[in-house]
Amino acid sequence: GAGVSQSPSNKVTEKGKDVELRCDPISGHTALYWYRQSLGQGLEFLIYFQGNSAPDKSGLPSDRFSAERTGGSVSTLTIQRTQQEDSAVYLCASSSHRDRGNINEKLFFGSGTQLSVL
Amino acid sequence: GDSVTQMEGPVTLSEEAFLTINCTYTATGYPSLFWYVQYPGEGLQLLLKATKADDKGSNKGFEATYRKETTSFHLEKGSVQVSDSAVYFCALRSYSGGGADGLTFGKGTHLIIQP
Repeated sequence: GAGVSQSPSNKVTEKGKDVELRCDPISGHTALYWYRQSLGQGLEFLIYFQGNSAPDKSGLPSDRFSAERTGGSVSTLTIQRTQQEDSAVYLCASSSHRDRGNINEKLFFGSGTQLSVL
Repeated sequence: GDSVTQMEGPVTLSEEAFLTINCTYTATGYPSLFWYVQYPGEGLQLLLKATKADDKGSNKGFEATYRKETTSFHLEKGSVQVSDSAVYFCALRSYSGGGADGLTFGKGTHLIIQP
């Protein structure tokens, strides 16, 4: 597709279950970000992938959160043993820029996955 | 650390009204400033940006001027339309901090335009 695609768009799960969120970045984009948007909060950085380099995981809030990016394209964010405070919109963004934080970097965002933990 | 503060919503206006959404920031160094917009059911889109003091970003009738003296980047539009209803995020990118990726977002302002 032309844009960043995320699935599912909505996910309702029970506390303690594991969930997987998927992100398909724009073809050819080497950089991929995951963000979390909790109710009433700003966007919170989670993790950053750039090509085949080791990801920057410094934003992950706990060891229940992990993410992979296979083949430098599709990424999966996994949350294990979900808690109610994990309820949020999880946004994925991609960029063609190889220099993170460069003034000219433009991020393209997906529509997000609304996660509700009951 | 870096931070962005923007007015909380929802902001409800009538069509053709004048819009201002306030945004102020704290940052080390000389950040770039951005406004992103999220229309219902869609992903975030870059609306406009400014990279240095006194720069004015503009797009789709929206404007924002980088004011270093007041550390502000207020979003304005002279005559809003129903189609402008969305959530607007102010953001900054700082080379010397600003979160793990150098990009810091405000909490977002939900704008509702009534016909």
